[in-house]
Amino acid sequence: GDSVTQMEGPVTLSEEAFLTINCTYTATGYPSLFWYVQYPGEGLQLLLKATKADDKGSNKGFEATYRKETTSFHLEKGSVQVSDSAVYFCALRTGNQFYFGTGTSLTVIP
Amino acid sequence: EAGVAQSPRYKIIEKRQSVAFWCNPISGHATLYWYQQILGQGPKLLIQFQNNGVVDDSQLPKDRFSAERLKGVDSTLKIQPAKLEDSAVYLCASSFGGGSQETQYFGPGTRLLVL
Repeated sequence: GDSVTQMEGPVTLSEEAFLTINCTYTATGYPSLFWYVQYPGEGLQLLLKATKADDKGSNKGFEATYRKETTSFHLEKGSVQVSDSAVYFCALRTGNQFYFGTGTSLTVIP
Repeated sequence: EAGVAQSPRYKIIEKRQSVAFWCNPISGHATLYWYQQILGQGPKLLIQFQNNGVVDDSQLPKDRFSAERLKGVDSTLKIQPAKLEDSAVYLCASSFGGGSQETQYFGPGTRLLVL
């Protein structure tokens, strides 16, 4: 069935380091792909999305490119800040179904 | 704009008891979703409503879980009777429409502990 596999954490980085969180998916058809973020004490919120192959989603300095050939949607940021500390979830939508990864906890230290 | 509201925020019950969660979506949002998030896992979609009709409930354990959205606005999710494995955070989300590009807005969740 359809699924999302996400890089396990926790991940700890120093401020201004480069971030990559890997996400690969299995899906029939042509899914839409998402990254959600959950800051401490807050609800899930959409970070970025891509709806077709080769689309790049971007927001707040984060980027992810929908790669159909490698079935991947890796999240990247060139220079992380302490305020980026959160849990990040990769997700896909096919039809009316949504599938989330298990989440990757990121801690950025000053 | 007010966000998705959920109540209660926390609930502790004993197994075999019943429990209900309430969700009020963002005003004007036709689509409402209920998710279950077990500790250490990603959210799992239980049921999706479009207005007051069910779009998908294929992952809802219908022997004990039920949900309704009678007037197409707020919604209630019920568990009866609860089991230990139902301990989780129950998330409600809403979106303006139901299209594949629609952004879902999540509420803060209700944390349920079944003893």
